Amino acid sequence: EADIYQTPRYLVIGTGKKITLECSQTMGHDKMYWYQQDPGMELHLIHYSYGVNSTEKGDLSSESTVSRIRTEHFPLTLESARPSHTSQYLCASSPLRASYEQYFGPGTRLTVT
Amino acid sequence: AQSVAQPEDQVNVAEGNPLTVKCTYSVSGNPYLFWYVQYPNRGLQFLLKYITGDNLVKGSYGFEAEFNKSQTSFHLKKPSALVSDSALYFCAVRPPASGTYKYIFGTGTRLKVLA
Repeated sequence: EADIYQTPRYLVIGTGKKITLECSQTMGHDKMYWYQQDPGMELHLIHYSYGVNSTEKGDLSSESTVSRIRTEHFPLTLESARPSHTSQYLCASSPLRASYEQYFGPGTRLTVT
Repeated sequence: AQSVAQPEDQVNVAEGNPLTVKCTYSVSGNPYLFWYVQYPNRGLQFLLKYITGDNLVKGSYGFEAEFNKSQTSFHLKKPSALVSDSALYFCAVRPPASGTYKYIFGTGTRLKVLA
């Protein structure tokens, strides 16, 4: 099992609420990623980070924001949740070298009602 | 544009038979190639990777993959399928030393192993 954690695992929340999805890894990896995935479908990169204080938007436009104040922590925030945000969110990390694989967390299944 | 293709949405195979899940890529240079598996309500788990060297790489759970540079393919194989292999499989590519930190994923192939 990889040492990367996501909380909560499941979240049901009403429209307009602010939410933060947590992601932490204990492997000391420099790079971290957030993906959005509808169940059983392809992954879409929404944010990534090279290291502390470095964040970039991914390929899929997202209304979420991220921060990277500590190496091990990469939270994702939705300021005002909408039903279109209903999806699974996967966090991943990898070491610096390109030849290394990503390690994925278990995911957060978000439902916005 | 760089891309990864998994041409089959679903592959069905009988238990005990060999299985192949196909992946082709369009990436400049010599990319690093990966296979991941995803079980329901879980994150992706790493299976194997090709960096350099022998074209046949072995990974977890008896899976292996064959790299073919001329066909730009990296097909996942297993000699004898198990019902427990039923899952969603993703091929991924990482361009080498290009300054990008992104992995390019295929759209996934659902493997169904029938008892």
